[in-house]
Amino acid sequence: ETGVTQSPTHLIKTRGQQVTLRCSSQSGHNTVSWYQQALGQGPQFIFQYYREEENGRGNFPPRFSGLQFPNYSSELNVNALELDDSALYLCASSLESGTSLNTQYFGPGTRLTVL
Amino acid sequence: EDQVTQSPEALRLQEGESSSLNCSYTVSGLRGLFWYRQDPGKGPEFLFTLYSAGEEKEKERLKATLTKKESFLHITAPKPEDSATYLCAVQDSWGKLQFGAGTQVVVTP
Repeated sequence: ETGVTQSPTHLIKTRGQQVTLRCSSQSGHNTVSWYQQALGQGPQFIFQYYREEENGRGNFPPRFSGLQFPNYSSELNVNALELDDSALYLCASSLESGTSLNTQYFGPGTRLTVL
Repeated sequence: EDQVTQSPEALRLQEGESSSLNCSYTVSGLRGLFWYRQDPGKGPEFLFTLYSAGEEKEKERLKATLTKKESFLHITAPKPEDSATYLCAVQDSWGKLQFGAGTQVVVTP
Protein backbone atom coordinates (compact mmCIF):
# COMPACT_ATOMS: atom_id res chain seq x y z
CA GLU A 1 0.00 0.00 0.00
CA THR A 2 1.47 3.36 -1.08
CA GLY A 3 1.29 6.19 1.41
CA VAL A 4 0.71 9.88 0.73
CA THR A 5 3.43 11.45 -1.38
CA GLN A 6 4.15 15.12 -2.05
CA SER A 7 6.34 16.99 -4.49
CA PRO A 8 8.57 18.84 -4.50
CA THR A 9 10.27 18.34 -1.14
CA HIS A 10 11.65 21.85 -0.99
CA LEU A 11 10.96 24.98 -3.00
CA ILE A 12 12.35 28.51 -2.97
CA LYS A 13 10.37 31.33 -4.59
CA THR A 14 10.44 35.10 -4.56
CA ARG A 15 7.67 37.43 -3.47
CA GLY A 16 4.94 37.85 -6.09
CA GLN A 17 5.61 34.55 -7.85
CA GLN A 18 3.18 31.67 -8.17
CA VAL A 19 3.71 28.09 -6.96
CA THR A 20 2.06 24.70 -7.50
CA LEU A 21 2.43 21.89 -4.98
CA ARG A 22 1.38 18.32 -5.73
CA CYS A 23 -0.01 15.47 -3.67
CA SER A 24 -0.78 11.84 -4.43
CA SER A 25 -3.27 10.34 -2.02
CA GLN A 26 -2.93 6.98 -0.33
CA SER A 27 -4.26 4.07 -2.37
CA GLY A 28 -8.04 3.75 -1.94
CA HIS A 29 -8.53 7.25 -0.50
CA ASN A 30 -10.90 9.74 -2.15
CA THR A 31 -10.43 12.90 -0.08
CA VAL A 32 -7.49 15.26 0.16
CA SER A 33 -7.01 18.04 2.71
CA TRP A 34 -4.29 20.69 2.64
CA TYR A 35 -2.70 22.33 5.68
CA GLN A 36 -0.15 25.07 6.23
CA GLN A 37 2.26 24.69 9.14
CA ALA A 38 4.39 27.64 10.22
CA LEU A 39 7.48 26.97 12.30
CA GLY A 40 6.59 26.06 15.88
CA GLN A 41 2.85 25.98 15.18
CA GLY A 42 0.26 23.30 14.54
CA PRO A 43 -1.04 22.75 11.00
CA GLN A 44 -3.75 25.16 9.83
CA PHE A 45 -6.54 23.88 7.56
CA ILE A 46 -6.54 25.42 4.07
CA PHE A 47 -9.22 23.40 2.24
CA GLN A 48 -10.47 19.92 1.49
CA TYR A 49 -11.37 18.20 -1.79
CA TYR A 50 -13.86 15.35 -1.99
CA ARG A 51 -14.66 13.74 -5.34
CA GLU A 52 -13.00 16.60 -7.23
CA GLU A 53 -14.97 19.38 -5.49
CA GLU A 54 -13.95 21.76 -2.73
CA ASN A 55 -15.61 20.53 0.45
CA GLY A 56 -14.71 23.10 3.10
CA ARG A 57 -12.24 25.95 3.35
CA GLY A 58 -10.30 27.52 6.19
CA ASN A 59 -9.44 31.17 6.72
CA PHE A 60 -7.15 31.58 3.70
CA PRO A 61 -7.46 34.19 0.91
CA PRO A 62 -8.62 33.28 -2.63
CA ARG A 63 -5.03 33.33 -3.91
CA PHE A 64 -4.85 29.87 -2.33
CA SER A 65 -6.64 27.53 -4.72
CA GLY A 66 -6.68 23.86 -5.47
CA LEU A 67 -7.71 21.03 -7.71
CA GLN A 68 -8.45 17.35 -7.32
CA PHE A 69 -8.11 15.01 -10.28
CA PRO A 70 -10.13 11.86 -11.17
CA ASN A 71 -7.35 9.70 -9.68
CA TYR A 72 -7.81 11.70 -6.41
CA SER A 73 -4.40 13.33 -6.60
CA SER A 74 -4.43 17.04 -5.86
CA GLU A 75 -2.67 20.35 -6.44
CA LEU A 76 -2.37 23.42 -4.24
CA ASN A 77 -1.75 26.67 -6.08
CA VAL A 78 -0.66 29.87 -4.40
CA ASN A 79 -0.58 33.12 -6.39
CA ALA A 80 1.17 36.40 -5.56
CA LEU A 81 3.40 34.82 -2.93
CA GLU A 82 4.05 36.75 0.26
CA LEU A 83 6.87 36.34 2.79
CA ASP A 84 4.36 34.96 5.34
CA ASP A 85 3.55 32.09 2.97
CA SER A 86 6.86 30.49 3.95
CA ALA A 87 5.84 27.28 5.71
CA LEU A 88 5.58 23.50 5.52
CA TYR A 89 2.61 22.58 3.34
CA LEU A 90 1.02 19.29 4.26
CA CYS A 91 -1.36 17.14 2.31
CA ALA A 92 -3.51 14.53 4.05
CA SER A 93 -5.69 11.87 2.47
CA SER A 94 -8.64 9.94 3.85
CA LEU A 95 -11.49 7.73 2.75
CA GLU A 96 -14.78 9.54 3.23
CA SER A 97 -18.17 8.00 2.51
CA GLY A 98 -20.33 11.07 3.09
CA THR A 99 -21.76 9.64 6.28
CA SER A 100 -18.65 8.99 8.32
CA LEU A 101 -15.39 10.81 8.84
CA ASN A 102 -12.15 8.91 8.85
CA THR A 103 -8.54 9.30 9.84
CA GLN A 104 -6.41 11.66 7.76
CA TYR A 105 -2.96 10.36 6.87
CA PHE A 106 -0.31 12.94 6.11
CA GLY A 107 2.40 13.16 3.52
CA PRO A 108 5.95 14.31 4.27
CA GLY A 109 5.19 17.91 3.30
CA THR A 110 6.68 20.52 0.98
CA ARG A 111 8.89 23.17 2.58
CA LEU A 112 8.22 26.49 0.80
CA THR A 113 10.54 29.42 1.35
CA VAL A 114 9.54 32.83 -0.02
CA LEU A 115 12.35 35.39 -0.32
CA GLU B 1 -14.98 29.29 17.61
CA ASP B 2 -13.24 25.92 17.87
CA GLN B 3 -10.11 25.98 19.99
CA VAL B 4 -7.44 23.46 20.94
CA THR B 5 -4.83 24.17 23.62
CA GLN B 6 -1.94 21.88 24.41
CA SER B 7 0.24 21.94 27.52
CA PRO B 8 3.01 22.03 28.35
CA GLU B 9 4.65 23.59 25.29
CA ALA B 10 7.81 21.59 25.92
CA LEU B 11 8.74 18.67 28.14
CA ARG B 12 12.16 17.28 28.92
CA LEU B 13 12.20 13.77 30.41
CA GLN B 14 14.81 11.33 31.57
CA GLU B 15 14.57 7.90 30.00
CA GLY B 16 12.04 5.90 32.05
CA GLU B 17 10.42 9.01 33.59
CA SER B 18 6.67 8.76 32.86
CA SER B 19 4.60 11.89 32.19
CA SER B 20 1.37 13.16 30.65
CA LEU B 21 0.53 15.70 27.95
CA ASN B 22 -2.71 17.66 28.04
CA CYS B 23 -5.03 18.73 25.23
CA SER B 24 -8.05 20.86 26.17
CA TYR B 25 -10.63 21.71 23.52
CA THR B 26 -13.82 23.53 22.72
CA VAL B 27 -15.58 22.50 19.54
CA SER B 28 -19.14 22.41 18.28
CA GLY B 29 -20.05 19.02 16.90
CA LEU B 30 -16.97 17.00 17.85
CA ARG B 31 -16.60 14.04 15.53
CA GLY B 32 -13.29 12.80 16.89
CA LEU B 33 -10.07 13.73 18.69
CA PHE B 34 -6.79 12.72 17.10
CA TRP B 35 -3.23 12.41 18.36
CA TYR B 36 -0.33 12.63 15.93
CA ARG B 37 3.42 12.44 16.37
CA GLN B 38 5.64 14.71 14.27
CA ASP B 39 9.39 14.48 13.82
CA PRO B 40 11.30 17.62 12.71
CA GLY B 41 10.67 18.47 9.06
CA LYS B 42 8.32 15.53 8.56
CA GLY B 43 4.58 15.11 8.22
CA PRO B 44 2.46 14.14 11.24
CA GLU B 45 2.20 10.40 11.91
CA PHE B 46 -1.18 9.12 13.10
CA LEU B 47 -1.29 7.63 16.60
CA PHE B 48 -4.87 7.47 17.93
CA THR B 49 -8.48 8.46 17.35
CA LEU B 50 -10.87 8.91 20.30
CA TYR B 51 -14.58 9.42 19.72
CA SER B 52 -16.35 9.55 23.07
CA ALA B 53 -15.69 10.52 26.67
CA GLY B 54 -14.27 7.64 28.68
CA GLU B 55 -12.58 6.05 25.68
CA GLU B 56 -8.94 4.93 25.99
CA LYS B 57 -6.44 3.73 23.38
CA GLU B 58 -2.96 2.26 23.88
CA LYS B 59 0.05 1.70 21.66
CA GLU B 60 3.34 0.53 23.10
CA ARG B 61 4.37 3.16 25.71
CA LEU B 62 1.57 5.59 24.78
CA LYS B 63 -1.95 5.74 26.16
CA ALA B 64 -4.58 8.31 25.17
CA THR B 65 -7.71 9.13 27.17
CA LEU B 66 -10.66 11.43 26.51
CA THR B 67 -13.09 13.41 28.66
CA LYS B 68 -15.75 15.90 27.56
CA LYS B 69 -13.29 18.80 27.67
CA GLU B 70 -9.80 17.38 27.40
CA SER B 71 -7.58 14.51 26.38
CA PHE B 72 -4.39 13.20 27.90
CA LEU B 73 -1.50 11.40 26.26
CA HIS B 74 0.37 9.37 28.85
CA ILE B 75 3.93 8.31 28.06
CA THR B 76 5.05 5.41 30.24
CA ALA B 77 8.78 4.72 30.73
CA PRO B 78 9.76 6.76 27.64
CA LYS B 79 12.79 6.02 25.51
CA PRO B 80 14.88 8.50 23.48
CA GLU B 81 13.07 7.40 20.31
CA ASP B 82 9.85 8.82 21.80
CA SER B 83 11.33 12.31 21.34
CA ALA B 84 9.05 14.23 18.97
CA THR B 85 6.33 16.88 18.88
CA TYR B 86 2.94 15.45 19.82
CA LEU B 87 -0.03 17.13 18.15
CA CYS B 88 -3.65 16.97 19.23
CA ALA B 89 -6.46 17.78 16.79
CA VAL B 90 -10.26 17.83 16.93
CA GLN B 91 -12.35 17.00 13.89
CA ASP B 92 -15.55 18.95 13.33
CA SER B 93 -18.66 17.85 11.47
CA TRP B 94 -17.16 19.05 8.15
CA GLY B 95 -14.08 16.89 8.51
CA LYS B 96 -11.72 19.78 9.19
CA LEU B 97 -8.94 19.09 11.70
CA GLN B 98 -8.25 21.91 14.17
CA PHE B 99 -4.78 21.41 15.65
CA GLY B 100 -3.16 22.59 18.83
CA ALA B 101 0.37 24.02 18.74
CA GLY B 102 1.86 20.76 19.98
CA THR B 103 4.02 19.61 22.88
CA GLN B 104 7.70 19.11 22.09
CA VAL B 105 9.01 16.11 24.04
CA VAL B 106 12.71 15.41 24.51
CA VAL B 107 13.75 12.18 26.21
CA THR B 108 17.38 11.98 27.31
CA PRO B 109 19.26 8.73 28.07
